[in-house]
Amino acid sequence: DQQVKQNSPSLSVQEGRISILNCDYTNSMFDYFLWYKKYPAEGPTFLISISSIKDKNEDGRFTVFLNKSAKHLSLHIVPSQPGDSAVYFCAASATRAGGTSYGKLTFGQGTILTVHP
Amino acid sequence: IAGITQAPTSQILAAGRRMTLRCTQDMRHNAMYWYRQDLGLGLRLIHYSNTAGTTGKGEVPDGYSVSRANTDDFPLTLASAVPSQTSVYFCASSDSWTSSPLHFGNGTRLTVT
Repeated sequence: DQQVKQNSPSLSVQEGRISILNCDYTNSMFDYFLWYKKYPAEGPTFLISISSIKDKNEDGRFTVFLNKSAKHLSLHIVPSQPGDSAVYFCAASATRAGGTSYGKLTFGQGTILTVHP
Repeated sequence: IAGITQAPTSQILAAGRRMTLRCTQDMRHNAMYWYRQDLGLGLRLIHYSNTAGTTGKGEVPDGYSVSRANTDDFPLTLASAVPSQTSVYFCASSDSWTSSPLHFGNGTRLTVT
């Protein structure tokens, strides 16, 4: 049973436009959410995170939105660049179990983003 | 460059054989993790260790064992490999007492035939 779902396996966007990647979760204990980016033959790298006490977090071109009532989060990339082409993973953790839970992540299936020049 | 080193980068293994995937970090992180990545399933946690000397089971621990004799090393052992363990394995570390994100190694691609 997939507790974190990314229902779009792939997304294609023109350079300069906005990329929106979506993620849904079912476990109401999740209170910390992250996005990771992965290039081929490399490990995932951290992109941005958000705690459940917030509904938005920005870092440069990247913004994560959290809708707790809908159990939905999204990653916006504006403007999109060809170098953003990668697999994006959404992940969640239940930190109320204690500080040691931050790294015990539940991942989504990933979305392949392709940004065309 | 500080980070996580995994070895080997890839391996083809006959079913029934024993295999240890190595992981070393030089960031002095107290927590370490092993994840496997499979198409359509994302990454799933196999085992973790909050500090040296302690380990715990993740979501998919069966068929795998780990040890944490010191802060830097966290090997993953497949005692008797099966084809369903064909996957890409990622080791990760973090400072588990804060919300610092996981740092991942570049993975080991394992094929069990």
